Amino acid sequence: AQSVTQLGSHVSVSEGALVLLRCNYSSSVPPYLFWYVQYPNQGLQLLLKYTSAATLVKGINGFEAEFKKSETSFHLTKPSAHMSDAAEYFCAVRRPFYNQGGKLIFGQGTELSVKP
Amino acid sequence: DTEVTQTPKHLVMGMTNKKSLKCEQHMGHRAMYWYKQKAKKPPELMFVYSYEKLSINESVPSRFSPECPNSSLLNLHLHALQPEDSALYLCASSQVGAREDEQYFGPGTRLTVT
Repeated sequence: AQSVTQLGSHVSVSEGALVLLRCNYSSSVPPYLFWYVQYPNQGLQLLLKYTSAATLVKGINGFEAEFKKSETSFHLTKPSAHMSDAAEYFCAVRRPFYNQGGKLIFGQGTELSVKP
Repeated sequence: DTEVTQTPKHLVMGMTNKKSLKCEQHMGHRAMYWYKQKAKKPPELMFVYSYEKLSINESVPSRFSPECPNSSLLNLHLHALQPEDSALYLCASSQVGAREDEQYFGPGTRLTVT
């Protein structure tokens, strides 16, 4: 069965430092992977998605992720953290519609803190 | 318009009350979802509607009753809830069929059961 694992429930970086949030997937078929961000008391917003068109995916707010099949990873990065990046980040894989309704299976989430 | 709206934003209800959550989208999406999210946890799927028909029920207790009156609206009727049902309830919508299509989420309804 397809699933994702996020390593590190909490990551803390200094403003201006590199952000690296880790996500590993488990799938016997090509996965459809997503990164969502959730700010406090808000819904989820899509950052980026992998759909096999390109292994390096650029998203909103300066984030990008690289799909590495050999490592079964889809880590999220940003070269320089801003205070406004502090939020909860979820990696997710999407199941097929025909038998699972296209539901998203989320990782446990990583809380990103940004220090001034 | 890529917005999913949810009302109310906050809801406090007693265990004997009946209330409803409402979700609306005007993106022409034919799949709509209800997720439940507890604090510091990822969202968990409750229901999926596809073309206004219930296609997935993730073994949700019958005190939660979904309804999809038309392609733009999704309701969640609540009755005789328990305190452990307190959570953020998120609605989402998407196209049907293509797994690469993202789900668009609403801001959620924060439910407190007293």
